[in-house]
Amino acid sequence: GENVEQHPSTLSVQEGDSAVIKCTYSDSASNYFPWYKQELGKGPQLIIDIRSNVGEKKDQRIAVTLNKTAKHFSLHITETQPEDSAVYFCAPLGSNYQLIWGAGTKLIIKP
Amino acid sequence: DGGITQSPKYLFRKEGQNVTLSCEQNLNHDAMYWYRQDPGQGLRLIYYSQIVNDFQKGDIAEGYSVSREKKESFPLTVTSAQKNPTAFYLCASRISPTASIQPQHFGDGTRLSIL
Repeated sequence: GENVEQHPSTLSVQEGDSAVIKCTYSDSASNYFPWYKQELGKGPQLIIDIRSNVGEKKDQRIAVTLNKTAKHFSLHITETQPEDSAVYFCAPLGSNYQLIWGAGTKLIIKP
Repeated sequence: DGGITQSPKYLFRKEGQNVTLSCEQNLNHDAMYWYRQDPGQGLRLIYYSQIVNDFQKGDIAEGYSVSREKKESFPLTVTSAQKNPTAFYLCASRISPTASIQPQHFGDGTRLSIL
């Protein structure tokens, strides 16, 4: 079946440094690749997404890169700030139009 | 403001009791979804609905039931058959079930606990 692996499960970085989270998927038919941020006690919120015909997309301090050949996409956060502390999920769209969720990465920003 | 409202935020269930979680959206979205989230884990799909009066089982539907009588409402009932119901339940919607580049929007969840 369709499978998604997300690494690392926990990431601790110094405030101001960069953070990178990687997501590997198995469904070669996937063509939509979102990243969600979930704060404690809240629902996930979309922070950035990319389509399969685009290799990179940037929105201020956040960027997503996609390697369709290798079937992985990554979330990049630069100049991290305390409010970036949260759990981040990748959720590529499967061939049945359902999102396939990774297990999440807890990002900790150290002051 | 458009969005998804889940209620209540916290819910307690006694053994053998059915409980219903509410999900209302005013985004005019066709598709709605229910997910279960356990501590430190990702989201698992319980049920989804692509259109009014239609719904399909997700990966973990046993012990749950849903209805979709109105476009804006998709309540989830956790039945007594669900032996481990303690979890965080999330409702989501999407403009169209087959719109491949449209995101899902989420409510802020209901946390269900067993007394």
